Amino acid sequence: KNQVEQSPQSLIILEGKNCTLQCNYTVSPFSNLRWYKQDTGRGPVSLTIMTFSENTKSNGRYTATLDADTKQSSLHITASQLSDSASYICVVGSSNDYKLSFGAGTTVTVRA
Amino acid sequence: EAGVVQSPRYKIIEKKQPVAFWCNPISGHNTLYWYRQNLGQGPELLIRYENEEAVDDSQLPKDRFSAERLKGVDSTLKIQPAELGDSAVYLCASSLRVQETQYFGPGTRLLVL
Repeated sequence: KNQVEQSPQSLIILEGKNCTLQCNYTVSPFSNLRWYKQDTGRGPVSLTIMTFSENTKSNGRYTATLDADTKQSSLHITASQLSDSASYICVVGSSNDYKLSFGAGTTVTVRA
Repeated sequence: EAGVVQSPRYKIIEKKQPVAFWCNPISGHNTLYWYRQNLGQGPELLIRYENEEAVDDSQLPKDRFSAERLKGVDSTLKIQPAELGDSAVYLCASSLRVQETQYFGPGTRLLVL
């Protein structure tokens, strides 16, 4: 069964600090990996998407990395802001059935 | 351009009652998805439409859930009868084509008492 595991489950950081979220997956055959941001009470919004040949992708203060050999990805948030408080979900696509496997998310709380 | 629109935003019903959710995808998006998201979990796919055809409904509990996408645009998801365990957020998403980026609506938060 295709799975996506995220860690940590939650974290609290001070405004201005950096943090890194982890995503490990077993989805095969691999197609792409996305990171979504989900604010409380809202639907997820796409931050980055990476295919097999890409190992890093940035979107403002968000930088995602992908190691397709070890099936690991990370999302780095630089100089966190209060508005970064949200759940960050790792989503991995399979190339043989177009199914997406969602992680449970990491809840990030940024405090002033 | 408007994003994915869902209604209602919140619904509280008693168990065994029916409930329906409505979704209007982004104009021109052929693929439409319904997801269920439990608290602290990622979304789980219920059904995927390509235009008006349901191409993946393997995770839809067909004894009580039904969905339709007439004319390949708007879609409704129905639960009849609702059970306590159906309490969750029901998300609708759309994309230009399958494997393209999905755009999510705000979701309908359902509470079954």
